[in-house]
Amino acid sequence: GESVGLHLPTLSVQEGDNSIINCAYSNSASDYFIWYKQESGKGPQFIIDIRSNMDKRQGQRVTVLLNKTVKHLSLQIAATQPGDSAVYFCAERNQAGTALIFGKGTTLSVSS
Amino acid sequence: NAGVMQNPRHLVRRRGQEARLRCSPMKGHSHVYWYRQLPEEGLKFMVYLQKENIIDESGMPKERFSAEFPKEGPSILRIQQVVRGDSAAYFCASSSTDNRNQPQHFGDGTRLSIL
Repeated sequence: GESVGLHLPTLSVQEGDNSIINCAYSNSASDYFIWYKQESGKGPQFIIDIRSNMDKRQGQRVTVLLNKTVKHLSLQIAATQPGDSAVYFCAERNQAGTALIFGKGTTLSVSS
Repeated sequence: NAGVMQNPRHLVRRRGQEARLRCSPMKGHSHVYWYRQLPEEGLKFMVYLQKENIIDESGMPKERFSAEFPKEGPSILRIQQVVRGDSAAYFCASSSTDNRNQPQHFGDGTRLSIL
């Protein structure tokens, strides 16, 4: 079936450290993945996406890695800042292409 | 550059009443998606609409829930005869095309509370 999950519900880091948030997915046919950041009281904010024909994609301070062999997705945040504190969700497009399937989220806490 | 606009931000209803949630997609976007989020959980897909058409409603309960996206005006998610279990945050997202590789952009949601 289609399901997306995250390895850890919480992650605490010091300001300036690099953060790695992991996600495992179950559908080997999934071809598009997205990372979202959700702050308290707000909607998910698009961070970065990746297609299945890529294994790495970089944005500003963020990198997404896709390992299709083990069906694993990760989000790396460089030089983490207090403003990065939020809940991070990975999501995959369903096979019909009509919806996103979200994992439960990882809460990132950044201390100064 | 207005993003996805949802209103109201907070809605309180008593059991048995109707709830209407509105969503205006980003400018130029004609595809709208509704999701529900319970506390401490991820978002769950409900329905996908294009102008005047429901494309996929597989995530929406068969009873009491309906959605529309008219030719003019916002998309509406309607919940009739609300029950306590309907309390949740409801998010709307939009995209520019139905291309599988286009991100969905979300609004800040409507928090529905049922007394």
